[in-house]
This record gives sequence, C-alpha cells and structure tokens, in this order.
Amino acid sequence: DTAVSQTPKYLVTQMGNDKSIKCEQNLGHDTMYWYKQDSKKFLKIMFSYNNKELIINETVPNRFSPKSPDKAHLNLHINSLELGDSAVYFCASSLQRLAGVPTGELFFGEGSRLTVL
Amino acid sequence: GEDVEQSLFLSVREGDSSVINCTYTDSSSTYLYWYKQEPGAGLQLLTYIFSNMDMKQDQRLTVLLNKKDKHLSLRIADTQTGDSAIYFCAEPLRDMRFGAGTRLTVKP
Repeated sequence: DTAVSQTPKYLVTQMGNDKSIKCEQNLGHDTMYWYKQDSKKFLKIMFSYNNKELIINETVPNRFSPKSPDKAHLNLHINSLELGDSAVYFCASSLQRLAGVPTGELFFGEGSRLTVL
Repeated sequence: GEDVEQSLFLSVREGDSSVINCTYTDSSSTYLYWYKQEPGAGLQLLTYIFSNMDMKQDQRLTVLLNKKDKHLSLRIADTQTGDSAIYFCAEPLRDMRFGAGTRLTVKP
C-alpha cells in the first residue's frame, strides 16, 4: 500500500491551460504539504494544511489553489499555466504539528512532473 | 541566515567515506533531519538527531551536530554506488525547511 500517492505522475500541457494534481495519504496524518522542486532540485514549501485548515500559504501566485476535502486528501489546482510552473510537485504528510512546527518524519509522494509547453 | 545551506556536489570513490555538511538556521530546533532522494523518487527520511545529542551512529551513517555553530554533518562510511543520490538536511520551522541538497556521486 502506497502511503502518500499522487496523480498524475507526469503531466504535459500547453500554456494557459488549467490542471489539477491529486494527493492522498493513508497514514492517518493530520498535516499535509505541497512542495515545488525546480530543475536545480531546490525544494520550496507552497502550502500546508492541518486537519483541513490552511496553515501555510507561501508567496505563491493565486493561480495556485489548494483544496483539502478531508484530512487524507490535498489537491492542487493550477489555473492559466505558465512556462515557469514547470517543475516536480511533491505532496507530503506528517503526523501532526506541536507548538507550530511539524513533528516527526515527512512522508513524500513520488512527485508529479509538470511540463508546460 | 534564513536558508538552510549545503554544498551542492560531492564526488567520492566507492569504499571511501563521504561527508555532507549543512548549516541550519534556528538554534532552538529540537530535531534535525537528513533525507535521501533517489532519481525519479520522492524524499525519504534517512536519519535524524535530537538537539541534545552531539552524535548519532546508525550502521554506516554518523550524524554530528554542533549546536554552537548550527552545523550538521552526515558521514557515510564505505560509500557504495547505491548511495548515489541527493541528500537534504532539514529543520522543522513553520514548515519543514530543506537545504538545497547535496548531489553525491560515487565512482566505482
């Protein structure tokens, strides 16, 4: 059983399109994240949800909209895709947060490679 | 500084030791982590250290922590070709903050 699963694994699309990436975790964790990894492998936090509540929203264009229908799912919708959105997007989860910081290990999905042409 | 810092590349010969260094940002971080990313995969936790420890050994891995200098290192003994990957140090801030990653290449 995959602990954190993302779909699709690969996504190739044209500029201006709208696309979604889905993420599900079966670990019973409270906290989920979206990270963006660029071509130089830098990992940058985009969003974090704790029990379906948005707790971190970094300086990400508002074309990116996360949605958490329940604490096991965190989806990412991107409107009006741009060339600079090409990257690998990672979903992750962790057990909980204490005193405002994540505790314990982050479990990562396999990543969704988005290519915008 | 605001960023978790690591050197970007390290190349060693098979059988040698590898040492990957990291400077973190917050002296009050209670845990510090090392993650490994293999090609085409997500990150996986490799090891971690509590801030009240100076050293932790786990088979071929040794983690050293210098809290005064906010310096963390990962030593891999008897490095194998299967250790070739990108290694990220991480500290729990408002989010889990990752360094830029050190790409370790192991030559036969």
